[in-house]
Amino acid sequence: TQLLEQSPQFLSIQEGENLTVYCNSSSVFSSLQWYRQEPGEGPVLLVTVVTGGEVKKLKRLTFQFGDARKDSSLHITAAQTGDTGLYLCAGIRPTGNQFYFGTGTSLTVIP
Amino acid sequence: EAGVAQSPRYKIIEKRQSVAFWCNPISGHATLYWYQQILGQGPKLLIQFQNNGVVDDSQLPKDRFSAERLKGVDSTLKIQPAKLEDSAVYLCASSLEGQMGWGYTFGSGTRLTVV
Repeated sequence: TQLLEQSPQFLSIQEGENLTVYCNSSSVFSSLQWYRQEPGEGPVLLVTVVTGGEVKKLKRLTFQFGDARKDSSLHITAAQTGDTGLYLCAGIRPTGNQFYFGTGTSLTVIP
Repeated sequence: EAGVAQSPRYKIIEKRQSVAFWCNPISGHATLYWYQQILGQGPKLLIQFQNNGVVDDSQLPKDRFSAERLKGVDSTLKIQPAKLEDSAVYLCASSLEGQMGWGYTFGSGTRLTVV
């Protein structure tokens, strides 16, 4: 069982549409990150959130950390073909120093 | 700054052969990680080093996998003997000591195919 579950697992949308990816856990995290990974490359850090309820915006991407710091969401407005990739959430627990990655969401934006 | 360097980018071997991967982290990053990523899934931590000491290797299949980080800089990950299920991308990442809560920097990975 994965500590961080992402949904949906796969998402295929038309260019210009909006979408939301969810990252859920029953455990509390002291911080959470979102990464995007393109084929043949390593994941690239998009954002880090550390405060419950925190909202961060990165151009067309909006990230939210749940009030209880157990979940997070990534919302993309007006998706572009360049947004295609594997989106990963990852978090670190308050105790211990291990990073946990989510199950991943594969996004395809169709022109 | 230079990123995390990994080599080789691709490797194809037969089962029961051995293979080694190399990683050079970002200069000054004390913490180094090796991850295994099956296609379409999230990375799974294999081993975490702090300088040249092992912090966590609980998910490393020690009967066939080994890793070292001599002198606290470069690291190598070895598989001997390889199995078909070892086919995956092996990612190396690094972070500043005490800063992993702010995210890692990953290398491009080594794609291993075991046939």
